[in-house]
Amino acid sequence: DADVTQTPRNRITKTGKRIMLECSQTKGHDRMYWYRQDPGLGLRLIYYSFDVKDINKGEISDGYSVSRQAQAKFSLSLESAIPNQTALYFCATQGPYSTDTQYFGPGTRLTVL
Amino acid sequence: TQLLEQSPQFLSIQEGENLTVYCNSSSVFSSLQWYRQEPGEGPVLLVTVVTGGEVKKLKRLTFQFGDARKDSSLHITAAQPGDTGLYLCAGGSSYIPTFGRGTSLIVHP
Repeated sequence: DADVTQTPRNRITKTGKRIMLECSQTKGHDRMYWYRQDPGLGLRLIYYSFDVKDINKGEISDGYSVSRQAQAKFSLSLESAIPNQTALYFCATQGPYSTDTQYFGPGTRLTVL
Repeated sequence: TQLLEQSPQFLSIQEGENLTVYCNSSSVFSSLQWYRQEPGEGPVLLVTVVTGGEVKKLKRLTFQFGDARKDSSLHITAAQPGDTGLYLCAGGSSYIPTFGRGTSLIVHP
């Protein structure tokens, strides 16, 4: 089984809809991240969490919210989806240091019509 | 905000050619990581370099961390179609990692 899983893998929705993307990990890591990837823009950080009680905004958090339900689960929500949120979304986990390997999920491809 | 500039953004070469990808910053990083991402998958770590001037080899891939820990390079010798993918560098600091925009490599048979 994969260390980091994301659901759904693909989602098509309409403008204004609320969407939740879920991430689960079996690495036992405290650090979890949500990124979005757009062609030519690399990975941009949306939110990150260093433990269950710690949630922090990344560089592009506007329009998104997160919930850390447990050490293993970190969800990303789009309260009212808009077309420019169409992108590939990745969840990642990491050990206790910023120099540790990040383990990425397989990604969720979200299309907002 | 620490920025990482990767170049080139795109690279299309023939099998057997050599190539170098660069990752540069004006900031000092405590470590530098290289990831490879294949279509439909998440990035996977290739290597972490932590010491200025450090060189690491992974089969046909050679990674170097600059003496001042502000830049890094990835050199691929005799590229193969299986090397095709997006190569991302990520700088580690005391807080959170910073990613470059990536180099998309296509190796034609």
